[in-house]
Parts: sequence; structure tokens; C-alpha cells
Amino acid sequence: KQEVTQIPAALSVPEGENLVLNCSFTDSAIYNLQWFRQDPGKGLTSLLLIQSSQREQTSGRLNASLDKSSGRSTLYIAASQPGDSATYLCALYDSWGKLQFGAGTQVVVTP
Amino acid sequence: DGGITQSPKYLFRKEGQNVTLSCEQNLNHDAMYWYRQDPGQGLRLIYYSQIVNDFQKGDIAEGYSVSREKKESFPLTVTSAQKNPTAFYLCATSRGQGNYGYTFGSGTRLTVV
Repeated sequence: KQEVTQIPAALSVPEGENLVLNCSFTDSAIYNLQWFRQDPGKGLTSLLLIQSSQREQTSGRLNASLDKSSGRSTLYIAASQPGDSATYLCALYDSWGKLQFGAGTQVVVTP
Repeated sequence: DGGITQSPKYLFRKEGQNVTLSCEQNLNHDAMYWYRQDPGQGLRLIYYSQIVNDFQKGDIAEGYSVSREKKESFPLTVTSAQKNPTAFYLCATSRGQGNYGYTFGSGTRLTVV
């Protein structure tokens, strides 16, 4: 069974610093991968969806890479802002379109 | 606006009661999902439905039941058989079997009192 790990579990950075969030998975035979953001007590907001044939996806200050051979995806957030404080979750799709989630990385950006 | 509506936002259940969480969508998505989230853990799949009148168990279906009588609606019942129901419940949709990306509702927080 696919296992998804996100390290670190929590991260605190000063405003302006770049954020690097890691996601690793045990089975490289994945389909797509999606990064989400979750604010406290709220639902999930989709950030980036990387198709299995892609190596990266970009949206504004966000960039996500995917390396299936090493079982890793990395989410980069450039020039962090206090509004980026949230929990970031990565999730992998199986062949049926179901998602397997990591436990998330809780990010705090201090002014 | 297209989206997913989960209600209620907060729900309190007494021991031995069944409660039903509502999930309604107007995105015209075929697939709907229920996830449970506990503090410090990732989301775990309870039930999912790819088409109307059909649904499948996820990883933690025991103590839960669902129905899918309409494309727009996928209610989740937490039965008295669920021994530890206090959690945050999230409903999601996608365009169908495959990898089209998920959309999530805002969640229901269930507490046993």
C-alpha cells in the first residue's frame, strides 16, 4: 500500500524567506499528485495538480516538482508572506482516482 | 457560483445516536468522497461514489453509511457503531474516475457529548 510522508511536520520561517516543503512516497507507480492548502478549521484548497507525465507545475509564487524515480515531490513557495501560514498537504492518486494523503506540514510565517 | 456545500458546520452527538452529515454539489461532478481528519493525521477515506446509486467502502468505513440517490447529494450517516466519531469530516468531488483534481467542501466538525 502506498505510504505518503511529509517532513517536517512543522516549519517556522521569517517573512520573505523561501519555503521548501517535502513529500515522499513509497510506490513510484503513481498517477497524478496534488498539493493542497488547509487553513485552521477549513476545507482544503487546491494549489497545484501535477500530471504523472509532468516534472513540475507552476502558479505564481508556487512551484511543485515531481520525481517519480526517487519517490519525491517538493513544493516551493517563493518570498513567503504571513498569509502563507497554513497546513500544506500532498496527496497521490491511485488508478481509481482515489487520493492517499500525507499528514501535512504546518507552516508559520512570522512578520 | 459552483461549489460544495457541507452542513451543518458544527454537530454534536450524544452517545448512541445516529447523525447525518449533508454534502451537496452543483459542479456536475460524477464522483463524490467522504474523508475523516483527526488532529495531526492526514485525511482518511470513508466512502466514495463514482456514479449515482453506487458507492464503495474506503479505508475506514466501519460505523458509517452513505447513499447516492442523486448526482448532487452524498449524505454520510455516522451510526452508533462508530465508537470514536469525534473528528472533522470533509466531502469532496471530482469529475470522475481518473485524475481530474479534487474540490473540497468546508467541512463539518462532529463532537460527541
